[in-house]
Amino acid sequence: EVQLVESGGGLVQPGRSLRLSCSGSGFTFGDYFLSWVRQAPGKGLDWVGFIRSKAFGGTPEYAASVQGRFTISRDDSQSIVSLQMNGLKSEDTAVYYCTRGVGHSGYDFFDYWGQGSLVTVSS
Amino acid sequence: DIHMTQSPSSLSASVGDRVTITCQASHDINKYLNWYQQRPGKAPKLLIYDASNLETGVPSRFSGSGSGTDFTFTISSLQPEDIATYYCQQYDDLPLTFGGGTKVEIK
Repeated sequence: EVQLVESGGGLVQPGRSLRLSCSGSGFTFGDYFLSWVRQAPGKGLDWVGFIRSKAFGGTPEYAASVQGRFTISRDDSQSIVSLQMNGLKSEDTAVYYCTRGVGHSGYDFFDYWGQGSLVTVSS
Repeated sequence: DIHMTQSPSSLSASVGDRVTITCQASHDINKYLNWYQQRPGKAPKLLIYDASNLETGVPSRFSGSGSGTDFTFTISSLQPEDIATYYCQQYDDLPLTFGGGTKVEIK
């Protein structure tokens, strides 16, 4: 059974950093693109970024709103993808979901999602 | 960026009703359009990919159609368990973008 489990969320002050992790199981982790999608309280879904599989270079892409502040990395040996969030702002408050991308491009659609991890940025 | 406009933002229908949601893309996205269901308090779930393909295990009352800039998502006979918010999402270009969502309630 495919599972994605996020961890690391919590309350953090504006300007500080937080690192989320997502552990995958039930599939060959290294073969897939992994994305982060967030959802602010009561709002819609917002793509944060993804990291390609090593076969496609293992490089990340980011939404403009987090470019330069957030970093996505992966450790295929541990089946973990991480989201390092620096310079957090109140508008980063959201539930962060880890998702698996599939399809020809690697990110055509998200077929599995984690349960989400809440990040609250507040003083 | 490709902007996705969903309508309506919410709707109320009776069990057994046919429900239709539309999604319009600001640019031609071919058929690179997906639909997700998000039940309250839960993670989103993929229902339809590539505009019209039903994800494995998803009931056949759900369907999608369209290409280019205009897409439609239909529930042929609304069931109580379909209470959720539905999102379209394009993958024609980065950044990946979602529609604003359609909240479906039972009348």
